[in-house]
Amino acid sequence: DIQMTQSPSTLSASVGDRVTITCRASQSISSFLAWYQQKAGKAPKLLIYLASSLEDGVPSRFSGSGSGTQFTLTISSLQPDDFATYYCQQYNSFPFTFGQGTKLEIK
Amino acid sequence: QVQLQESGPGLVKPSQTLSLTCTVSGGSISSGGHYWSWIRQHPGKGLEWIGYIHYSGTSKYNPSLKGRVSISVDTSKNQLSLKLTSVTAADTAVYYCAREGVRSFPDAFDIWGQGTMVTVSS
Repeated sequence: DIQMTQSPSTLSASVGDRVTITCRASQSISSFLAWYQQKAGKAPKLLIYLASSLEDGVPSRFSGSGSGTQFTLTISSLQPDDFATYYCQQYNSFPFTFGQGTKLEIK
Repeated sequence: QVQLQESGPGLVKPSQTLSLTCTVSGGSISSGGHYWSWIRQHPGKGLEWIGYIHYSGTSKYNPSLKGRVSISVDTSKNQLSLKLTSVTAADTAVYYCAREGVRSFPDAFDIWGQGTMVTVSS
């Protein structure tokens, strides 16, 4: 299985901050990488697919980059609604696997 | 707008079979070439892909579940189902159904159900 490792596990930031979350794959996954946002008690919501494509309806302050084994999710200016847990997921090969999550907290 | 809704028992006894259904509304399960997955999340933990199915019957499962899982589709009811046999407390989780997009093959999960909590306990 491809292991997905996110860092940091927890991130404290303030409204207006620019934040970056990193996801590393244990082997190359090309650009088959998605980012999801999950709020407590809710299902994950797709933000980014194919590493850098913004899902319809997702604010443009979210962006993704990377290919191969290193990927990043950047939020350019944190809004109150952005405090949540973020997961990366590879869909290059089976079984599909997720990172362990990054909890974005209010500083 | 396509929506997914999971349903099934919230409590299952150890060694029994967990059975869940996901009903698709707002669109047909057999159109668009989508694959339909089950994903679970242990309490306070990350996400685990269980497996997927296409309306044609093509399916694929996570080997970590060691042959205990079966996913089926009923196009007449616009539903997919999950069966997980010989459950233990380690199968306690929130179970989600999700749709895979068709912008690439494979694709990310663009639509999710709200999830249903299943507890394995005697």
